[in-house]
Amino acid sequence: EDKVVQSPLSLVVHEGDTVTLNCSYEVTNFRSLLWYKQEKKAPTFLFMLTSSGIEKKSGRLSSILDKKELSSILNITATQTGDSAIYLCASGKIAGNMLTFGGGTRLMVKP
Amino acid sequence: DVKVTQSSRYLVKRTGEKVFLECVQDMDHENMFWYRQDPGLGLRLIYFSYDVKMKEKGDIPEGYSVSREKKERFSLILESASTNQTSMYLCASSLLGVGLNQPQHFGDGTRLSIL
Repeated sequence: EDKVVQSPLSLVVHEGDTVTLNCSYEVTNFRSLLWYKQEKKAPTFLFMLTSSGIEKKSGRLSSILDKKELSSILNITATQTGDSAIYLCASGKIAGNMLTFGGGTRLMVKP
Repeated sequence: DVKVTQSSRYLVKRTGEKVFLECVQDMDHENMFWYRQDPGLGLRLIYFSYDVKMKEKGDIPEGYSVSREKKERFSLILESASTNQTSMYLCASSLLGVGLNQPQHFGDGTRLSIL
């Protein structure tokens, strides 16, 4: 059975801190790893990673995939209160349209 | 921008009722999905549809059915609602991925309470 596990479950930091969120996967025929941010409503797409070792970056957020370790990290530098959200990672398979989601990491950034 | 619209933001129903959750997308996506989201469990796939009238069971289809009569609309049906179906329900859509997974675009969710 495919499995995606995120850690930590929740995290409280102060504005300006740097955080690292972890995602590990056990997925047969793995193709890609996706990150989403969910505030009060719909999860919004952040990154899709398919190649090991290549960092994807968007502003203060960056992510990298390690296929040897079957894991990915999402880094947020200089956190702001607007980064408070649930961060979800999901894995996709070769020749498949479904994603398997992890349980999410709830991040709270305090002023 | 992709828009996925779920018909209700909040819904309260009684045990045993038949409940319909509606979802419409405006980007001509082939794939549509229904998930439920519970604290600590992430998103769990209920059903998936890759074309009109086509459906596949996800991880937790028991107690649910779906209908896709038109490409843009995907309905989730709770045949006889039970209290353990109280949850947040999320609809998503994506393009048909050929050789590469496609990001899914989500609606705002329906928070369903079964009393």
